[in-house]
Amino acid sequence: NAGVTQTPKFRVLKTGQSMTLLCAQDMNHEYMYWYRQDPGMGLRLIHYSVGEGTTAKGEVPDGYNVSRLKKQNFLLGLESAAPSQTSVYFCASSGRGVLETQYFGPGTRLLVL
Amino acid sequence: AQSVTQPDIHITVSEGASLELRCNYSYGATPYLFWYVQSPGQGLQLLLKYFSGDTLVQGIKGFEAEFKRSQSSFNLRKPSVHWSDAAEYFCAVAAMGSASKIIFGSGTRLSIRP
Repeated sequence: NAGVTQTPKFRVLKTGQSMTLLCAQDMNHEYMYWYRQDPGMGLRLIHYSVGEGTTAKGEVPDGYNVSRLKKQNFLLGLESAAPSQTSVYFCASSGRGVLETQYFGPGTRLLVL
Repeated sequence: AQSVTQPDIHITVSEGASLELRCNYSYGATPYLFWYVQSPGQGLQLLLKYFSGDTLVQGIKGFEAEFKRSQSSFNLRKPSVHWSDAAEYFCAVAAMGSASKIIFGSGTRLSIRP
């Protein structure tokens, strides 16, 4: 039982490049989330999903897209990376939203030059 | 809209001393409240949560928090800290009835003095 895993752990991009961050969970959770963490700002919700095939915008969705084609996977895409997207990205999952414990992945550190 | 304030950016306490981390929230009704801990290089882990009932909530690792409606606070406490408690602590709030979104505070970094 691996919990929540994230791929890759670290990535360097040039401005304008695209990439996809993968989040996988093996706990059969319905809800999945993508957050970004910036110094002094805590975690901010980018997008979330309440079930397979559904996605919704969070607090800071601009510049990101997501997909939840399979229940266990939640992908975060950057179509044209910008230096402002340099951050640490965390994925989380929970059974019934925030009323149940959110389990977090180890994070992906992204640097956009 | 709900919000969370953690007024202390960084706190240092001696090992064995007591700890209190402050959290104030802004929300019109009774919110759902949480404390998470993040060890260096790791994701967040839930310490405890409050939804209703007894205002003193016990969590993992010997932590507790008290909900005070009159002060809009949810402070985290531990009677005696250990070196392994050094981490960043986040208070968070979710609106009652909102199962999907949680708002995090900016965090308090805890250092332990040997």
